[in-house]
Amino acid sequence: AQKVTQAQTEISVVEKEDVTLDCVYETRDTTYYLFWYKQPPSGELVFLIRRNSFDEQNEISGRYSWNFQKSTSSFNFTITASQVVDSAVYFCAPCYGGATNKLIFGTGTLLAVQP
Amino acid sequence: GAVVSQHPSRVICKSGTSVKIECRSLDFQATTMFWYRQFPKKSLMLMATSNEGSKATYEQGVEKDKFLINHASLTLSTLTVTSAHPEDSSFYICSAPPLAGGKETQYFGPGTRLLVL
Repeated sequence: AQKVTQAQTEISVVEKEDVTLDCVYETRDTTYYLFWYKQPPSGELVFLIRRNSFDEQNEISGRYSWNFQKSTSSFNFTITASQVVDSAVYFCAPCYGGATNKLIFGTGTLLAVQP
Repeated sequence: GAVVSQHPSRVICKSGTSVKIECRSLDFQATTMFWYRQFPKKSLMLMATSNEGSKATYEQGVEKDKFLINHASLTLSTLTVTSAHPEDSSFYICSAPPLAGGKETQYFGPGTRLLVL
């Protein structure tokens, strides 16, 4: 089975701190997709990003940035100047066999941002 | 963005009864839909892939007769938990990739919380 590891089970930071959530995945595929989702207490999944394995450019979207390192199979997510509203569980999820295929969710990281 | 709805959002039932959960793509068509299950403080685990007009594909360890899936149209998939037991209590989420594609490539429903007493 292709494994996804989010080593940090829980992270607690104080508002305005930067925080990085780690994601390491295992695959023998050369082409795949990587997703990050946010799950607030309501339970609904919020899409954050989709990255293609053949595009290794890092991406920034507002306070969010992603560092994709194909050589180490890692796709880390950084929140700059964290806010209380960022408190949620964050999932990394690779997708193999096409972008519309099933997602393999990581174990998730619970981020708590304290005021 | 595209919208996927689930009904009901919450359901409480007695042990031994069956519960049907609907997943609808409201503004797009999907030949495939995915059903996930999430236990408290755990990750989402894929249960099965629902295929329009054909049988669902179940993941290893998921009982086909327990979790009946029907994908009768391009906008509706249903998951029926038969003879539910307390251990079936969980958060069930569906997702659907639109035929027309898109950046997100999959859209998730808001989930259904099932509590079996």
